[in-house]
Amino acid sequence: SQQGEEDPQALSIQEGENATMNCSYKTSINNLQWYRQNSGRGLVHLILIRSNEREKHSGRLRVTLDTSKKSSSLLITASRAADTASYFCATDAGTYKYIFGTGTRLKVLA
Amino acid sequence: KAGVTQTPRYLIKTRGQQVTLSCSPISGHRSVSWYQQTPGQGLQFLFEYFSETQRNKGNFPGRFSGRQFSNSRSEMNVSTLELGDSALYLCASSWAELLEQFFGPGTRLTVL
Repeated sequence: SQQGEEDPQALSIQEGENATMNCSYKTSINNLQWYRQNSGRGLVHLILIRSNEREKHSGRLRVTLDTSKKSSSLLITASRAADTASYFCATDAGTYKYIFGTGTRLKVLA
Repeated sequence: KAGVTQTPRYLIKTRGQQVTLSCSPISGHRSVSWYQQTPGQGLQFLFEYFSETQRNKGNFPGRFSGRQFSNSRSEMNVSTLELGDSALYLCASSWAELLEQFFGPGTRLTVL
């Protein structure tokens, strides 16, 4: 399967703690994106990192990319109950399609 | 700007029937992609359209087809429905390739 892998599959933390989730992929990429999905609804784009970038920040989000290891991580700092959702990475290999990871289910306890 | 809209939001069909789902992208977006999401298989790419041309297709049987109109609106059709086609079907649009995708709320299809 071309699908990326994310770990952990599920993560439960207390409000205020940091959450880290990882994504590994199999082919060379042009960019990698992270999305959030709340309870079976549409996905919301969080951040895009290009293959020539190593780190990117957006608000409480920090994404790193290691193309040599074909992996990326998403860090959410000072998490809130509203961050409870599933998080997916998606890679674009330049063939007009995105390959999504299996997702990490994050639960933030108030 | 209005977001991506999908109709209908919910659909119940029986095996053997066919179904057509519709997606209206964000104004100005010319790329539309379709995905199938199930608990077992996750998000699977179905196809991508740009300026009425299908540029890529996922590993789905020929029962799954799509098209895009000159106004960038897109439809997907599933014929001879099977129980395993029950899923959330998501549409996403983007201004061009290699940019972020904006997703619609999805159509939840249940096949009985």
